[in-house]
Amino acid sequence: DQQVKQNSPSLSVQEGRISILNCDYTNSMFDYFLWYKKYPAEGPTFLISISSIKDKNEDGRFTVFLNKSAKHLSLHIVPSQPGDSAVYFCAARLTDSWGKLQFGAGTQVVVTP
Amino acid sequence: DVKVTQSSRYLVKRTGEKVFLECVQDMDHENMFWYRQDPGLGLRLIYFSYDVKMKEKGDIPEGYSVSREKKERFSLILESASTNQTSMYLCASSLETDRAEQYFGPGTRLTVT
Repeated sequence: DQQVKQNSPSLSVQEGRISILNCDYTNSMFDYFLWYKKYPAEGPTFLISISSIKDKNEDGRFTVFLNKSAKHLSLHIVPSQPGDSAVYFCAARLTDSWGKLQFGAGTQVVVTP
Repeated sequence: DVKVTQSSRYLVKRTGEKVFLECVQDMDHENMFWYRQDPGLGLRLIYFSYDVKMKEKGDIPEGYSVSREKKERFSLILESASTNQTSMYLCASSLETDRAEQYFGPGTRLTVT
């Protein structure tokens, strides 16, 4: 039973525009949420995270929003660049779980010139 | 920078063979994890370890075992490889702190024929 869901397998966006990636979760015991980026033939790299006690975290071009009542988080990338073309994974950590993460299925982002 | 290395980038094994995947991290992290990544399924946790000689099953442990004899090294063992274990295998490590970031290795693409 997938507790973290990314319902959009792919997203195409024009260079310079905003990319919005969405993620839904079902477990209220998640206390930390993360976004990872993955290029082909490489391991995922950490992008940005947010604690469940916050509703927004910003780091440069990347902003993550958390709506706890809707059990929904989103990643905004502004402006999108060609190097942002990758698979993005949403992940969530259960409280008191030795740092175990539950991952979504991923969203393939393609940034077009 | 945290470095997580995996012993092989690509492996081809035959059905029934015993397969060892090695992972080493150089940042004195307490926690180590093994995932497999399959299209449309995201990253699924196979096993994790929160200390030397300590291990816990993840979401899909069947057909796998692990070993952690030293803090920096975490091995994944396929006792008798099967074709449904063809996948990308990713190792990760993290500190035991409030922050949840896991740092990933480059992955091993395993093909079982």
